[in-house]
Amino acid sequence: AQKITQTQPGMFVQEKEAVTLDCTYDTSDPSYGLFWYKQPSSGEMIFLIYQGSYDQQNATEGRYSLNFQKARKSANLVISASQLGDSAMYFCAMRGDHNFGNEKLTFGTGTRLTIIP
Amino acid sequence: DSGVTQTPKHLITATGQRVTLRCSPRSGDLSVYWYQQSLDQGLQFLIQYYNGEERAKGNILERFSAQQFPDLHSELNLSSLELGDSALYFCASSVELTGTFEAFFGQGTRLTVV
Repeated sequence: AQKITQTQPGMFVQEKEAVTLDCTYDTSDPSYGLFWYKQPSSGEMIFLIYQGSYDQQNATEGRYSLNFQKARKSANLVISASQLGDSAMYFCAMRGDHNFGNEKLTFGTGTRLTIIP
Repeated sequence: DSGVTQTPKHLITATGQRVTLRCSPRSGDLSVYWYQQSLDQGLQFLIQYYNGEERAKGNILERFSAQQFPDLHSELNLSSLELGDSALYFCASSVELTGTFEAFFGQGTRLTVV
């Protein structure tokens, strides 16, 4: 079974500081994808960044980077130079191997990030 | 804009009623997923379709059903609605089954049962 664990229910960070949101996962699938989504108060789910299990380099998308440590089964999201607009709920998710019927997204419980001016 | 379209955005209905939520996936995406997000349950997987066929079922109640049509749009039908069905319902689509492809979400349908 796929499992995502986010241990930080909430975080408060000063504007312009970097922030790391933790995510650990559990799977026995040979290949999988790891994702981060942002959900602002308006409710939509915004795709931020993706990391494939076979990718050698950590993914980056603008101010977002994914610190992927495969041996530790962790996929932490790093947001550099945080902005007030980064205040939102952040979800870590995983898609497993479709050969095992695990291609649906499994989500963690989320981390509510609040940026303080 | 993710390219996934969900209608309606908001729905208010009474207990016992039936509603249909609609999802148009991104152009070319064959796989559609439905999720329910309620305050106390987080994001729960309901059901998945791939190219018109049901692929996987999650925690979907018997009162709920879904289908994917030949043009790949999908509908989620919720019947005999209860207060506890009030939630945000998301549709997501992906071009392929493999986990190495991103899945993009629609804006969601916020269902309120009164």
